[in-house]
Amino acid sequence: DAKTTQPNSMESNEEEPVHLPCNHSTISGTDYIHWYRQLPSQGPEYVIHGLTSNVNNRMASLAIAEDRKSSTLILHRATLRDAAVYYCILRGQGGSEKLVFGKGTKLTVNP
Amino acid sequence: EAQVTQNPRYLITVTGKKLTVTCSQNMNHEYMSWYRQDPGLGLRQIYYSMNVEVTDKGDVPEGYKVSRKEKRNFPLILESPSPNQTSLYFCASSPWNLGYGYTFGSGTRLTVV
Repeated sequence: DAKTTQPNSMESNEEEPVHLPCNHSTISGTDYIHWYRQLPSQGPEYVIHGLTSNVNNRMASLAIAEDRKSSTLILHRATLRDAAVYYCILRGQGGSEKLVFGKGTKLTVNP
Repeated sequence: EAQVTQNPRYLITVTGKKLTVTCSQNMNHEYMSWYRQDPGLGLRQIYYSMNVEVTDKGDVPEGYKVSRKEKRNFPLILESPSPNQTSLYFCASSPWNLGYGYTFGSGTRLTVV
């Protein structure tokens, strides 16, 4: 079973901010939170990751709740090219790379 | 260019005919992994490898084999393919440092008839 829970779909308008939520209530203290996205007909693409603090990069921002049981991927100004399926996964230390992707959130961006 | 290369991109084969899907990365990554993606089921991990000669099962390993004899290569072997292995397959690699994400290949669309 997936260790993360995401809404099946979300919709946004172009040039508006988008907040994609992810719940991970069973996260352990050494789990990193990773986000990937998959554009149609392409392989998944790494977006951002974090452990405890909020993170920013050129693609997005990641806001992590204080108890780490949830996180939010923030796209500051959605473009049509951001329409994709977004996956939130947990990646832990401790010798296993068994990763569970879940079904992700399909983001639709309206012009 | 840093990349994960899968071959072939498309493959149609018959039930029972052994096949290998190759995966190669040029980034000197320790971790490599195989996934299959099916409509409505998302990405499911088949096998992963944390270094040369170290492999382990993911969520759906039945019917598949892997090997990691060299750091750069991680082939996926279907000894006796069946129609339920018709799927889109992705290979991915990552450095051991969890501060980096996985780089995925472009995918291999396999049809078993």
